[in-house]
Amino acid sequence: EADIYQTPRYLVIGTGKKITLECSQTMGHDKMYWYQQDPGMELHLIHYSYGVNSTEKGDLSSESTVSRIRTEHFPLTLESARPSHTSQYLCASNGDTWSTDTQYFGPGTRLTVL
Amino acid sequence: RKEVEQDPGPFNVPEGATVAFNCTYSNSASQSFFWYRQDCRKEPKLLMSVYSSGNEDGRFTAQLNRASQYISLLIRDSKLSDSATYLCVVLYQKVTFGIGTKLQVIP
Repeated sequence: EADIYQTPRYLVIGTGKKITLECSQTMGHDKMYWYQQDPGMELHLIHYSYGVNSTEKGDLSSESTVSRIRTEHFPLTLESARPSHTSQYLCASNGDTWSTDTQYFGPGTRLTVL
Repeated sequence: RKEVEQDPGPFNVPEGATVAFNCTYSNSASQSFFWYRQDCRKEPKLLMSVYSSGNEDGRFTAQLNRASQYISLLIRDSKLSDSATYLCVVLYQKVTFGIGTKLQVIP
């Protein structure tokens, strides 16, 4: 089993609220990712980080922001949630070497914005 | 052209059938290849890595064809529990996921 965790698992919140989705891993992985996925649809990379103080935007434009102050922690923040942000958000990580380049996923946060 | 291409399906097959999925990739310098399985409303989970020599894990066989730039997944003796979406993943500097192929095994 992968040691990567996400909280909360489910979040229902009103429009305009600020939210932070937490992701942490205890595998010492330098690389971490955030994906967005609607039901039955493909994964879209929205943010990634290759190490502390490194963050990049992914292939899909997102109004969310991320930070990477510690290796094990990669939170995602929405300053003002909107119904269009309703989706599942999946965090993943992997190492740098050939033996650790497999990407492991957290269980996801299912976000509903009313 | 997408970096990783998969037929989204769905593939509807009877129990006990053999089913094969292909996935093509565009970057010839790609280094690592994987198949993931994703159940409905769950996170993707690693099914198997794909090695140049091909590899087998029980009823599942994965193969890599670098010359034609595709990987394949063969599932023998399909079970109802194999119903899921199978994601092809390619690594070259960054990880790229295919759209996934949906498999439905029918009783």
